[in-house]
Amino acid sequence: DQQVKQNSPSLSVQEGRISILNCDYTNSMFDYFLWYKKYPAEGPTFLISISSIKDKNEDGRFTVFLNKSAKHLSLHIVPSQPGDSAVYFCAARSYNNNDMRFGAGTRLTVKP
Amino acid sequence: GAGVSQTPSNKVTEKGKYVELRCDPISGHTALYWYRQSLGQGPEFLIYFQGTGAADDSGLPNDRFFAVRPEGSVSTLKIQRTERGDSAVYLCASSLGQGWGETQYFGPGTRLLVL
Repeated sequence: DQQVKQNSPSLSVQEGRISILNCDYTNSMFDYFLWYKKYPAEGPTFLISISSIKDKNEDGRFTVFLNKSAKHLSLHIVPSQPGDSAVYFCAARSYNNNDMRFGAGTRLTVKP
Repeated sequence: GAGVSQTPSNKVTEKGKYVELRCDPISGHTALYWYRQSLGQGPEFLIYFQGTGAADDSGLPNDRFFAVRPEGSVSTLKIQRTERGDSAVYLCASSLGQGWGETQYFGPGTRLLVL
């Protein structure tokens, strides 16, 4: 069962514009959400996270928004840069569970 | 400092053979995780170690898969009687502690191909 879903396999944006990556989850027990970024031939790298007690967390150009009622989160990158081109994974976990669930990923391409 | 390392980076084997995949976590990290990533999918949890013990092995697909971490540092994932469906990238991650908000740092993975 896929408890974390990223329905857009790819996204292409122009340099300088905003990138918005979306993620939906089904398990209401999830209370901690993360975004990882992955370049080819490398492991995923932690980008930003948010706990369920917040609805927004910002770190430089990256902002994650959480809508608990809709079981939806999104990652905003602004302004987008060519170096942001990578696969982005959404992940979720619950307080009493070591099992972190990942979405299938969205490949972001930022065009110069 | 050094990140998580995994060896080999690539492994090609024949159906029915036994393979071992190694993970060296970040020094001082007590928690270690194994994930499997199939083509077009996100990483899938396999097993979690806290220290030397497997605290959660609920993600191991069947009894052909086994992992050890005898001294609480290096871990080995062992796959017996490999099948073509085992072909995937096997990722290892470590974190400083087991806490809910602890960041997991991933290695580059071992790409396993079973012919």
